[in-house]
Amino acid sequence: KNQVEQSPQSLIILEGKNCTLQCNYTVSPFSNLRWYKQDTGRGPVSLTIMTFSENTKSNGRYTATLDADTKQSSLHITASQLSDSASYICVVSEGNAGNMLTFGGGTRLMVKP
Amino acid sequence: DAGVIQSPRHEVTEMGQEVTLRCKPISGHDYLFWYRQTMMRGLELLIYFNNNVPIDDSGMPEDRFSAKMPNASFSTLKIQPSEPRDSAVYFCASSPGQIYGYTFGSGTRLTVV
Repeated sequence: KNQVEQSPQSLIILEGKNCTLQCNYTVSPFSNLRWYKQDTGRGPVSLTIMTFSENTKSNGRYTATLDADTKQSSLHITASQLSDSASYICVVSEGNAGNMLTFGGGTRLMVKP
Repeated sequence: DAGVIQSPRHEVTEMGQEVTLRCKPISGHDYLFWYRQTMMRGLELLIYFNNNVPIDDSGMPEDRFSAKMPNASFSTLKIQPSEPRDSAVYFCASSPGQIYGYTFGSGTRLTVV
């Protein structure tokens, strides 16, 4: 069964600090991996999309890494801001199933002043 | 572009009533998805359309749920009759293709009492 596991489930950090969120998956065949940010009461917003051949991709202060061999990804947030407080969802797409996505449970990040 | 537009934002209804959720995808996006999000189960795919045709409805919980896409700019998700366990946030998303990011709407928070 395809699964996406995220850790930690929740995280509290101080403003200005860095943090790293983890995502492990068992989806096969792999097509791509996406990180989404979901603010409370809003729909998820795409941060990055990485295919099999991409090891790292940045979007401002967000940097995602992908190790397709170990089936792990991470999302690193640099110099956190209060507005980074949200849920971060890792989503993996199956290669042969068109738009079949498997969603992780998300990491709820709270940035405190 | 106004993004994916969903209505209503909030819906409170009594058990047994019919509920219709609406979605307007981004113009030019060939794929439309309906997701349900709960604390317990996270984001779940209910059904998706490609060029207005339902492709995979295996996520639709039961016959009480139905979805239509009469044209490229409009889709509905109907629940009849509604039950308290249907209470969740329902998201519509659209995408131009398999390898592209999805754009989610703001969601409809459904409460069935």
